[in-house]
Amino acid sequence: AQSVTQLDSHVSVSEGTPVLLRCNYSSSYSPSLFWYVQHPNKGLQLLLKYTSAATLVKGINGFEAEFKKSETSFHLTKPSAHMSDAAEYFCVVSDLRDTGNQFYFGTGTSLTVIP
Amino acid sequence: KAGVTQTPRYLIKTRGQQVTLSCSPISGHRSVSWYQQTPGQGLQFLFEYFSETQRNKGNFPGRFSGRQFSNSRSEMNVSTLELGDSALYLCASSLFTGPDVYGYTFGSGTRLTVV
Repeated sequence: AQSVTQLDSHVSVSEGTPVLLRCNYSSSYSPSLFWYVQHPNKGLQLLLKYTSAATLVKGINGFEAEFKKSETSFHLTKPSAHMSDAAEYFCVVSDLRDTGNQFYFGTGTSLTVIP
Repeated sequence: KAGVTQTPRYLIKTRGQQVTLSCSPISGHRSVSWYQQTPGQGLQFLFEYFSETQRNKGNFPGRFSGRQFSNSRSEMNVSTLELGDSALYLCASSLFTGPDVYGYTFGSGTRLTVV
C-alpha cells in the first residue's frame, strides 16, 4: 500500500526567505514522486517529478526536491520565496506496479508568503 | 497547445438529480483520470480510462460512472446526487497509461454544488 504524509498543513515564510515543505511517503515498491501546486480556483500544475533517475530533482519556478530513500522523504525547497508562490502544494506518490494507475495525494500544505 | 478542458466550470444541482461532466484531454493524450477534491477528504481517485477502457477505479459508489470516447474525450456521470457530492472534480490526462512515468496534466476542474 502507498501513502503520503505532508508534515505541515500550513507554512508561512517571508518574501525572499527559503521555503521548505516536508513530505514523507510509504510505498512497497520503488515509487514515483511528484509535487503539484494549486492556486485558488485553479487545477493542479506539475512542479517536478522523481522517477528513479537523479535523486535531486529540479522543477519549475526555482523549486527542487531531493529523494531520500533511507528517510522515505521527498521534501520540496526553494531558496527564496516570491509572493506568487502562495498556493496549496501537494506531494503525490504513485507506483504502477502496486495498485495501478492512480496517484495518492497528500493532504496538502498551504504556503503563505508574507511581504 | 491547448490544455485539458473541463466543462462546465460551475454547476448547481438539487439532491436526487444527476449530472454529467465533460473532459477533453490534451491532443494526443489517451489516458484520462478523474479525481474528486473536497476540504474534508482531499483529493481522491475516481477512475482512469485508457483507449475507451476503464483501467482502474477508486473506492466510490456505483452512482459515479464514466466513459471515454474514441477521440479520448471523457465524461463522468453522477446519479442520485447527495449533498456530500459537492466538490471540485478534476480531470487529468496523460500520454499513456501510467502517469507515474509521464505525470498528469490537470484541467481547472468543475465545481459542483449540490443543494
